[in-house]
Amino acid sequence: EDQVTQSPEALRLQEGESSSLNCSYTVSGLRGLFWYRQDPGKGPEFLFTLYSAGEEKEKERLKATLTKKESFLHITAPKPEDSATYLCAVLLRGGSQGNLIFGKGTKLSVKP
Amino acid sequence: GAGVSQTPSNKVTEKGKYVELRCDPISGHTALYWYRQSLGQGPEFLIYFQGTGAADDSGLPNDRFFAVRPEGSVSTLKIQRTERGDSAVYLCASSLSGTSGSYNEQFFGPGTRLTVL
Repeated sequence: EDQVTQSPEALRLQEGESSSLNCSYTVSGLRGLFWYRQDPGKGPEFLFTLYSAGEEKEKERLKATLTKKESFLHITAPKPEDSATYLCAVLLRGGSQGNLIFGKGTKLSVKP
Repeated sequence: GAGVSQTPSNKVTEKGKYVELRCDPISGHTALYWYRQSLGQGPEFLIYFQGTGAADDSGLPNDRFFAVRPEGSVSTLKIQRTERGDSAVYLCASSLSGTSGSYNEQFFGPGTRLTVL
């Protein structure tokens, strides 16, 4: 069964304390892996797409990396405004374009 | 409009009633997606439209759920004989194209919170 698991479920950081969020996946074939940010009461906001092992993408304090089994979202020197739930999703090779399989997310809290 | 819009933002209904949820995608986006998100969970895929047709409806949980997109723009998700277990946030997303070969990122709306009493 195709599965996406995110850890930890929740993470509390002090402002400036760098850390990483993990997304591990067990799928029949990966077409792409996606990271989204979701604020309370809002829809997910797209962050990154990764297509192949070894690929890395950066945006401000965020950096996403991909291996054959997992992806990491590294947060460098986080600020309180980075507090949100971060969702990971996979698109299967051979599957439909629309069928993103999401993990449950990691809820990040950054305290000043 | 500037982004994906969904109406209503909140809907409270009684068990057994019929509801319609509306999604207005970003102008020019040909692909439209519906997801359902329960508390503490990630979004769960329901259905995907390419133009007016449903390209993948494998996520619809049963025949009480139905969605249409008659003119290839606005979509309506319809739920018949609602049950308490249908309570969730229903998210809509759109993208430039859903065709294979390259992936176009999905832009999500704010969702409709459905509560079935």
